[in-house]
Amino acid sequence: DAGVIQSPRHEVTEMGQEVTLRCKPISGHNSLFWYRQTMMRGLELLIYFNNNVPIDDSGMPEDRFSAKMPNASFSTLKIQPSEPRDSAVYFCASRENSPLHFGNGTRLTVT
Amino acid sequence: QQQVKQSPQSLIVQKGGISIINCAYENTAFDYFPWYQQFPGKGPALLIAIRPDVSEKKEGRFTISFNKSAKQFSLHIMDSQPGDSATYFCAASINSNQFYFGTGTSLTVIP
Repeated sequence: DAGVIQSPRHEVTEMGQEVTLRCKPISGHNSLFWYRQTMMRGLELLIYFNNNVPIDDSGMPEDRFSAKMPNASFSTLKIQPSEPRDSAVYFCASRENSPLHFGNGTRLTVT
Repeated sequence: QQQVKQSPQSLIVQKGGISIINCAYENTAFDYFPWYQQFPGKGPALLIAIRPDVSEKKEGRFTISFNKSAKQFSLHIMDSQPGDSATYFCAASINSNQFYFGTGTSLTVIP
């Protein structure tokens, strides 16, 4: 079991640039979640998918954020244009019957 | 609105002591209460979990105490070790579809 794989581990970009974060869930898991972690707000749910279909995106902060899951083994979170306040650690998690399994996150810094 | 309230924000315990972290919730529809442990640079990892039909669950040195009437649950770490130093998150979910996390407790165990 390779676990949830996220890439890149670190991303540094300039304000206004497009950022794409990638996630490969654990094989067989039918739900995928994107979280954002900051010191001020803790772990915030951005969006989650069941069977590749977005179920709840109410946590997506603005239209600048979008997420896709084209197939069961891949998901992306895109920010366009990025802003300094988007700087955070973004986690992807997947599950099949209860426990959430998290990846090691992508640390995003927008300057 | 914070669905799950966690305290304390930080905790310092001597090696061999007991670490206690508390969480409270309001939504009585929550039916699954996991605790996650996070080390620097890593994603949160499931530590132990409980469902509301039991009042206590123990796994090794880790115990969850659950008080359904008070809508509170806590994590007890017995014989705390320096290797337990990490950030701990409580969480609550409904049908394991949406997980709401507490704001985290940074635990430091002093040798």
